[in-house]
Amino acid sequence: ELKVEQNPLFLSMQEGKNYTIYCNYSTTSDRLYWYRQDPGKSLESLFVLLSNGAVKQEGRLMASLDTKARLSTLHITAAVHDLSATYFCAVAPGGGADGLTFGKGTHLIIQP
Amino acid sequence: GAVVSQHPSWVICKSGTSVKIECRSLDFQATTMFWYRQFPKQSLMLMATSNEGSKATYEQGVEKDKFLINHASLTLSTLTVTSAHPEDSSFYICSAIPVETQYFGPGTRLLVL
Repeated sequence: ELKVEQNPLFLSMQEGKNYTIYCNYSTTSDRLYWYRQDPGKSLESLFVLLSNGAVKQEGRLMASLDTKARLSTLHITAAVHDLSATYFCAVAPGGGADGLTFGKGTHLIIQP
Repeated sequence: GAVVSQHPSWVICKSGTSVKIECRSLDFQATTMFWYRQFPKQSLMLMATSNEGSKATYEQGVEKDKFLINHASLTLSTLTVTSAHPEDSSFYICSAIPVETQYFGPGTRLLVL
């Protein structure tokens, strides 16, 4: 059974600071997804990482994937309040055409 | 970008009734769609994979006779919650894959009284 673990599950930080969210998964997979969810809303796609060593950046967010370590990171640079949300990583166990297994999510609060 | 819609966005029903939720891909064809459920302050759990023209595949622990899935066309999948009970109250979200990532619909919030 595929397990996806995120940490931390809750993070409160100040604007301007940097931080990293970690996502570990238990079985081999060549693609990993990051999503953002705002309260009461559905999921917004942030990144899909398709290969070992993949790195993608969008604004203040940067995601990376190490398939050998089964680890992905989501790094936040110089956080701003608008990034407050819940962030989920997810893995497709059999490839891109499968349903996703999600981590528990990281609830991020960025305080002015 | 790819758009997935759901209808209704929220529904309140009495215990014992059935509720149908629609998931549509608006600008692409989807032979496969997925249905997830999210309880408050929890993560998303995959319920089933909806396959156009064939039977849905259900995850372990999901009752196929309670959660009926029909994928009659390349742009529409429906989830029917039969004989709904209060414990079925949840946020139901569908997704589809137009290219390489899954795009999620806006979700349907179900409250069973």
